[in-house]
Amino acid sequence: RKEVEQDPGPFNVPEGATVAFNCTYSNSASQSFFWYRQDCRKEPKLLMSVYSSGNEDGRFTAQLNRASQYISLLIRDSKLSDSATYLCVVNSANAGKSTFGDGTTLTVKP
Amino acid sequence: GAVVSQHPSWVICKSGTSVKIECRSLDFQATTMFWYRQFPKQSLMLMATSNEGSKATYEQGVEKDKFLINHASLTLSTLTVTSAHPEDSSFYICSARPPGVGDTQYFGPGTRLTVL
Repeated sequence: RKEVEQDPGPFNVPEGATVAFNCTYSNSASQSFFWYRQDCRKEPKLLMSVYSSGNEDGRFTAQLNRASQYISLLIRDSKLSDSATYLCVVNSANAGKSTFGDGTTLTVKP
Repeated sequence: GAVVSQHPSWVICKSGTSVKIECRSLDFQATTMFWYRQFPKQSLMLMATSNEGSKATYEQGVEKDKFLINHASLTLSTLTVTSAHPEDSSFYICSARPPGVGDTQYFGPGTRLTVL
């Protein structure tokens, strides 16, 4: 079993749709959690950190459930520019190493 | 946000040659930088943690004699792929964590290596 698992995707949605991605992690001692987006042939860029209390940034909402060891990302009112691969990233407690999920590809269509 | 640069952005080389990739933190000092590799349609895999002034820590399965890491200053880490072979062709990305932002890491733009 992978340390970090994401919805395999791909997700193909129309503009304006709401889409949700899930991510599960196996290490219960994991310390911090992030969502990054990666465009084709580019480096990952931080989208948002994920907190137990949940956090929102515009159309994006992230949630962390430590008991069930999963993280979610909700995108409302999808835009064409949201098309990308979304990476779930989990950091370990001690060395602070980051483990990446395989990513979920989102395509928003007109 | 913090800026991390990489050079070169892409390189094509012949099999057997060595390639050096530079990673720089432009507006902060980084005692630790990370080197990742990403194959097509796969996620990023951590290769090693680069520590300023000391030896790098390599992940299991990564040959330290093949992937030489030097972190000689607080703003520069280099990765040298020695005796490159076609199977080393990949997207190499470095990252660093600026002070004061916890575990958040910022990535360089990546270096696309193609070994013929």
